Amino acid sequence: AIQLTQSPSSLPASVGDRVTITCRASQGIRSALAWYQQKPGKGLKVLIYDASSLESGVPSRFSGSGSGTDFTLTISSLQPEDFATYYCQQYNSHPDTFGQGTKLEI
Amino acid sequence: QVQLQESGPGLVKPSQTLSLTCSVSGGSVSSGSYYWSWIRQPAGKGLEWIGRIYTSGTTYNPSLNSRVTISVDTSKNQFSLKLSSVTAADTAVYYCARDQGDHFQHWGRGTLVTVSS
Repeated sequence: AIQLTQSPSSLPASVGDRVTITCRASQGIRSALAWYQQKPGKGLKVLIYDASSLESGVPSRFSGSGSGTDFTLTISSLQPEDFATYYCQQYNSHPDTFGQGTKLEI
Repeated sequence: QVQLQESGPGLVKPSQTLSLTCSVSGGSVSSGSYYWSWIRQPAGKGLEWIGRIYTSGTTYNPSLNSRVTISVDTSKNQFSLKLSSVTAADTAVYYCARDQGDHFQHWGRGTLVTVSS
């Protein structure tokens, strides 16, 4: 199975900061990568799919980039509601796999 | 708006079979456009895709393949997960989700299943 390594695992930040989270795949996955946001007690919310496509209804401060093995999720200006845990997921190769998560902390 | 809701026992004994149901509203499980998945998350750990069902069949994570069965009940607009021979390592929050064979567009809130005697 393809392994996804996210960095950092936790990220202290403040409202208004620009933050970047990285996801590295153990082998090439083209652009078959999605990013999710998870808040306690809730299901995950897709933010980005196909590495850089913004899901409908997701604020434009979220953006994704990359292809092959290296990907990034950027939040241009952190809002209070963005403090959550973020996961990447690859769907290029069976089975689907997820990164271990990055927790954005105040 | 599609909504998914997991249900089932919160406690299962070791060696028994874990059974969960996902009720779908705002969409049909018999739609040929979508796939229906189960994903789990042990406490403090990452996410593991378990498997998915679609009109032409099922696919499972090879790590769980021999123990997993996913099925659909179109009359109730539900799909189900059965995981046999459970151990403490199967303790997790279990999520159901809708996808198109790629990213997961809609998720349930998750249900905690604890494996313990």
